[in-house]
Amino acid sequence: GDSVTQMEGPVTLSEEAFLTINCTYTATGYPSLFWYVQYPGEGLQLLLKATKADDKGSNKGFEATYRKETTSFHLEKGSVQVSDSAVYFCALSTNYGQNFVFGPGTRLSVLP
Amino acid sequence: NAGVMQNPRHLVRRRGQEARLRCSPMKGHSHVYWYRQLPEEGLKFMVYLQKENIIDESGMPKERFSAEFPKEGPSILRIQQVVRGDSAAYFCASSPNALDEQYFGPGTRLTVT
Repeated sequence: GDSVTQMEGPVTLSEEAFLTINCTYTATGYPSLFWYVQYPGEGLQLLLKATKADDKGSNKGFEATYRKETTSFHLEKGSVQVSDSAVYFCALSTNYGQNFVFGPGTRLSVLP
Repeated sequence: NAGVMQNPRHLVRRRGQEARLRCSPMKGHSHVYWYRQLPEEGLKFMVYLQKENIIDESGMPKERFSAEFPKEGPSILRIQQVVRGDSAAYFCASSPNALDEQYFGPGTRLTVT
């Protein structure tokens, strides 16, 4: 079945450091790919998405590129802030799936 | 356009009682999804509904749990005879169709004492 794998956390960085959170997927067909963010005590918010190969999603300084050849959708940010501390979920949906598939989430802590 | 609404935000139940969680999707959204999140864990899919139909309930326990999305009114997730292990955050999401991104509500935090 479809699945999403993310790098294990927690990830701890200093403010202004470069962030990469790896995400790889297995899917039947051609999935759409998403990154969601969950701040403490809140629901998930869509951060960015890409619907076809080589698309780049971007929002709030975060970027991720849909790489079909490596089945990856790694999340990056050039300079993280304390306010980026949250849990990040990679997800996919496909023509053949009945529902979204979420990765397990990666907790990011940014220290001042 | 109001977002996905869930109520109550916090619910406390004693073991053996019933818990009813409500979700009102965004306007124009006919697809509703329920997820459970245990403390410090990821999201677990429970059930996917469209108006008056259950499309996929593969993630929902066979006993004590049920869900509905009637023609009128919110979607309801019902947990009968709650046990301590049911304590979790329950999130609802909605989308206009099965392939679009899902929009999440703020969640209902259920505590079973």
